[in-house]
Amino acid sequence: TQLLEQSPQFLSIQEGENLTVYCNSSSVFSSLQWYRQEPGEGPVLLVTVVTGGEVKKLKRLTFQFGDARKDSSLHITAAQPGDTVLYLCAANGGATNKLIFGTGTLLAVQP
Amino acid sequence: GAGVSQTPSNKVTEKGKYVELRCDPISGHTALYWYRQSLGQGPEFLIYFQGTGAADDSGLPNDRFFAVRPEGSVSTLKIQRTERGDSAVYLCASSPDSGNYGYTFGSGTRLSVV
Repeated sequence: TQLLEQSPQFLSIQEGENLTVYCNSSSVFSSLQWYRQEPGEGPVLLVTVVTGGEVKKLKRLTFQFGDARKDSSLHITAAQPGDTVLYLCAANGGATNKLIFGTGTLLAVQP
Repeated sequence: GAGVSQTPSNKVTEKGKYVELRCDPISGHTALYWYRQSLGQGPEFLIYFQGTGAADDSGLPNDRFFAVRPEGSVSTLKIQRTERGDSAVYLCASSPDSGNYGYTFGSGTRLSVV
């Protein structure tokens, strides 16, 4: 079974602080995605990384794919209350290429 | 439609009853996925359709769960003899094909078994 472990599971910080969320696996993936999910809504795709070592930036969010394509990180600079959502990593796995999600990181940014 | 539509948005049912959850994917998307999500956790894969056929049903927890997609568009997730442990948000997603990109999720159906 391919597992994507996210850490931390829950994080509470003050507005303006920086943070990093990690997504780790023992499996190698051809690509990895990060989603954000607001309460009562489905996950929304933020970014897809495909190359080992790749770094992508989306405003205050920086995503990195590990060199071995087994792990990824999401770094948020100067967190805002609007960043208070569930962050999910996901990757295609298995013989049928289904999307497998990580365990999730719930971020709370206090104003 | 413009997005993935799931109905109902909320469903409360009594233990032991039968329920059906509906998913309307984005028009033209051949791949459709069902997931189940508990509060604060990542979605758990249930089943995935490519066209009308179930390409992977390895995530269905037991034989009380069944899903169909008879015309390759709308899909229905069926749960028989519901149990309190079935309470969760059931999410549906569709994508243009079964590749790595382009998943669009619906808002989910919150199922409460009382």
